[in-house]
Amino acid sequence: DQQVKQNSPSLSVQEGRISILNCDYTNSMFDYFLWYKKYPAEGPTFLISISSIKDKNEDGRFTVFLNKSAKHLSLHIVPSQPGDSAVYFCAARIRSGGSNYKLTFGKGTLLTVNP
Amino acid sequence: ETGVTQTPRHLVMGMTNKKSLKCEQHLGHNAMYWYKQSAKKPLELMFVYNFKEQTENNSVPSRFSPECPNSSHLFLHLHTLQPEDSALYLCASSQDPPYGRTDTQYFGPGTRLTVL
Repeated sequence: DQQVKQNSPSLSVQEGRISILNCDYTNSMFDYFLWYKKYPAEGPTFLISISSIKDKNEDGRFTVFLNKSAKHLSLHIVPSQPGDSAVYFCAARIRSGGSNYKLTFGKGTLLTVNP
Repeated sequence: ETGVTQTPRHLVMGMTNKKSLKCEQHLGHNAMYWYKQSAKKPLELMFVYNFKEQTENNSVPSRFSPECPNSSHLFLHLHTLQPEDSALYLCASSQDPPYGRTDTQYFGPGTRLTVL
């Protein structure tokens, strides 16, 4: 049973426009949400995160929005650049016991930014 | 370069072979992880080590055997694997509470494993 879902396997956007990547989750115990970016032949790299007590976090061209009532988050990239072309993973953090936490990942969305 | 290295980058093995994957982190972190990424599936957490102690085993078959001799090194020993175990195996590290945040995990480049 997937607790973190990215329903769009791919997204294609023109350079300079906005990219919106979506993620839905089912577990209300998640306390932190993250986006990771992955290029081919590399491991995922951390991009941006948001606490469950916030509804927006912005870092340069990247903004993450959280809608807790809908159990939905989205990543906005403005303006999109060809170098943003990668697989984007949504992840959610939950306490797994004591002071330990673990991340649950979605399947990823392949973003292609066309010049 | 994330500070987490993995060797080998590619591995082809038969079902009767025994091999090991190695991960090393140069970040001074106290937690290390093994993930499996199969085609068209999410990253699946396999094992978590915190201060060299295993704190999570996500129902992983015994043909996968982790070893964490110190906080900087993590191994995954493989034996009698099946073709469906072919996947990308990713190692990650983080500085866990109370000294850091588990959300920021740093990943290695992964080992692409093919089981024939």
